[in-house]
Amino acid sequence: AQSVSQHNHHVILSEAASLELGCNYSYGGTVNLFWYVQYPGQHLQLLLKYFSGDPLVKGIKGFEAEFIKSKFSFNLRKPSVQWSDTAEYFCAVNARGSGTYKYIFGTGTRLKVLA
Amino acid sequence: GAGVSQTPSNKVTEKGKYVELRCDPISGHTALYWYRQSLGQGPEFLIYFQGTGAADDSGLPNDRFFAVRPEGSVSTLKIQRTERGDSAVYLCASSPGLGYEQYFGPGTRLTVT
Repeated sequence: AQSVSQHNHHVILSEAASLELGCNYSYGGTVNLFWYVQYPGQHLQLLLKYFSGDPLVKGIKGFEAEFIKSKFSFNLRKPSVQWSDTAEYFCAVNARGSGTYKYIFGTGTRLKVLA
Repeated sequence: GAGVSQTPSNKVTEKGKYVELRCDPISGHTALYWYRQSLGQGPEFLIYFQGTGAADDSGLPNDRFFAVRPEGSVSTLKIQRTERGDSAVYLCASSPGLGYEQYFGPGTRLTVT
């Protein structure tokens, strides 16, 4: 069965620190990859996505993610976090070649940025 | 434009009762997904529709759960004989096509007492 692992469950950083959140998935075929963010009191919204092409993708608010096929990873990065980045971050995978278009989400990483 | 809407926002029901949760997707979106999210967890896939048909319902936990999308737009998730373990936030998302990014609604918080 497909699965998505987010190893960092809680991360606390000071403003201006760099961020990297890990995401690993288990599926050997073609995938579409996503990061979603949920700010306090708001609903899930798309941060960035990867379908094909350049494995380094840029999203909103200065976030980027790198798809490394050999490592089954899609880690999220930001060079300098802000207090407003405090939120929960979810990695999601859609295994395109699996015969279904369901999405599998990780358990999420709760990020707290200290002002 | 309008996003995905879900009603009710909160639902409290007694164990054993029947509930319906409604999702109104973004106009023109052909794919519609239902998820369940418990505290400290990510969204757990339940079912998705492409048009009117349920393309994959493998995530429905048992036969007490059922969902419909009769006209390819609004969808209803139905839960019979609710149990306390059904308490969670039920999320709906729509997508312009299969495999594309999803647009989530605010969710319905279901509490079974």
